[in-house]
Amino acid sequence: GAGVSQSPSNKVTEKGKDVELRCDPISGHTALYWYRQRLGQGLEFLIYFQGNSAPDKSGLPSDRFSAERTGESVSTLTIQRTQQEDSAVYLCASSLQRGRGQPQHFGDGTRLSIL
Amino acid sequence: GQQVMQIPQYQHVQEGEDFTTYCNSSTTLSNIQWYKQRPGGHPVFLIQLVKSGEVKKQKRLTFQFGEAKKNSSLHITATQTTDVGTYFCADFNAGNMLTFGGGTRLMVKP
Repeated sequence: GAGVSQSPSNKVTEKGKDVELRCDPISGHTALYWYRQRLGQGLEFLIYFQGNSAPDKSGLPSDRFSAERTGESVSTLTIQRTQQEDSAVYLCASSLQRGRGQPQHFGDGTRLSIL
Repeated sequence: GQQVMQIPQYQHVQEGEDFTTYCNSSTTLSNIQWYKQRPGGHPVFLIQLVKSGEVKKQKRLTFQFGEAKKNSSLHITATQTTDVGTYFCADFNAGNMLTFGGGTRLMVKP
């Protein structure tokens, strides 16, 4: 497809379980970002990847959060031992390259609900 | 870290009225981007401002970057119901990360 694709679109799980969220960026986009958006709130930066460089993990809220990216394609965000405060929409975005001036293209997000 | 603030948080307008959202920072903004997020949707890029004092227009939308690069604004003339959504400003800071403001949610009464 032409846009950023995220799966699943919705995920409901019990507290303490691990979850894995997937993002397929736009083909050719070397930069990939993950954000968290709580209900009615702004976007909270989590992590980004640029090509084969080491990812910038400075936004990850705890060591329960991790992310990987295979080359310049698919990325997965993993949350271990989920807590209720992890409930949010997790948005992935990609851009042509890292750095200023490049618009970010967002996926529809994964709505995560922790019971 | 850098904080980007937006006001107001919410705005109700009657269709046909104008609307403005303001983006402010205590530090100098570098590149300001504006995004629109429709209810239930994802943010969509609208425009980028780079130069001090820059003004750009897209139909009924006017974007401004302050002379001191400490603030930016988005003005919508004669709002329509299709303008409903949350408008975010975002700045690329020194770390090349995009820092988003909290957004302004616009509601338009037909």
